[in-house]
Order: sequence, then C-alpha cells, then structure tokens
Amino acid sequence: GAVVSQHPSRVICKSGTSVKIECRSLDFQATTMFWYRQFPKKSLMLMATSNEGSKATYEQGVEKDKFLINHASLTLSTLTVTSAHPEDSSFYICSANRQGGTDTQYFGPGTRLTVL
Amino acid sequence: AQSVTQLGSHVSVSEGALVLLRCNYSSSVPPYLFWYVQYPNQGLQLLLKYTTGATLVKGINGFEAEFKKSETSFHLTKPSAHMSDAAEYFCAVSANSGYALNFGKGTSLLVTP
Repeated sequence: GAVVSQHPSRVICKSGTSVKIECRSLDFQATTMFWYRQFPKKSLMLMATSNEGSKATYEQGVEKDKFLINHASLTLSTLTVTSAHPEDSSFYICSANRQGGTDTQYFGPGTRLTVL
Repeated sequence: AQSVTQLGSHVSVSEGALVLLRCNYSSSVPPYLFWYVQYPNQGLQLLLKYTTGATLVKGINGFEAEFKKSETSFHLTKPSAHMSDAAEYFCAVSANSGYALNFGKGTSLLVTP
C-alpha cells in the first residue's frame, strides 16, 4: 500500500501556457501533501505544503500566483504552473502523508516539465 | 531549523565492497532522519528512517544507518555493493512527524564491476 501517482509523467509546453500536474494518493487518504522541485543533478527543494480544504503554505521565494496549488480532496492535490517560462522547466515531485499514519512521506514518481 | 549535509557528491565503489554514504544533520529539536534512493527519472523510494528508539536502523535492500547524536550523523552503509545499487541517495531531516523534509544535496553512487 501507500502508492502515490503523478500525472502526467512528462509534459512539454510552449512558453506562456499553463500546465496542471496531478498528485494522487491511490490507496490512502492524505491530509497533507508536499510539492518539491528538483533541478538537474540537484536536491529537492520544498515548494509548498498543501493541506486538504485550506490554502497551501508556500516556501519563501516561491511565487504563489505562479504555482497554484489546490488540495480539493483527501486523495488529490494539483499544481498548476501558470504562464510557464523555460526557467520553470524542472522535475516536480509530490509526496503525501497518510492520514493518521506514520511519519513516512510517500513520494510520487515525478513529472518532468519542459517549457519551450 | 533542520538541515543535512551529505559529504561527497559522488562515491564510487567496486561490486562487493562496503558502501558508506555520509550524512550529518543540524537540528534544534530531536530529528527525524531519512534516507531515500532515486533511480534516473524516477521518484524517491524510502530506504530507512530513524524517529526514536534503536539507533541502528535497518532498511530495505540490505542498507542500514546508525543515528549518532554525539556526532550528529546518520551515515548509510551496506556491507556489499551490488550493481543495482547505483543511484542517487538523499539524506533528509524533519522536525516532526508529518512535517516537510529538508534534503541534502544527494550523493551519486557508482558501482563498478
């Protein structure tokens, strides 16, 4: 158990368009989901913490109007990159904590975004 | 605040040799410590974690790590490396259960025949 999926796995878009990435907990409910960004050959940087039914908490330096996060249900959080630019190209990874569960975060497989 | 430092961005070992990946942490509260592995273009897989209790933690794929408070370390070891162990390894720390993780910069493990 404890599977987290992300869709799409890869996306290529034109500069100026918006892209939505979904993060789903498939076999558990997650009150909290996290969005990370990973640059090539770099570590994961926390972008925001997403809590079901409330506004996301963004890390310093992350533009909340550019990276829109919605956590509408206990199994789904979405990250929308608005007006994407080439510098937004990156690997985006989500993770989820099981509701009432342990301290383990379960990670999705990631989404590779390329902005042309 | 919590942070981790991974010493050595690249580690190369021979197949069958000991694997040692170093991680030192900084935390103002008792830390929760994790090791994750990432294969190319994939997400992260939990290898092992330390929260409380026994300081020697055993994980999957023959890996283990020891929490040493006096040294603020949580080094990852495996007695005998396999070719399939070649991957990126991340040490991470959090302040509490359910909190976001602060990752180290990662160590790329290369296993040579």
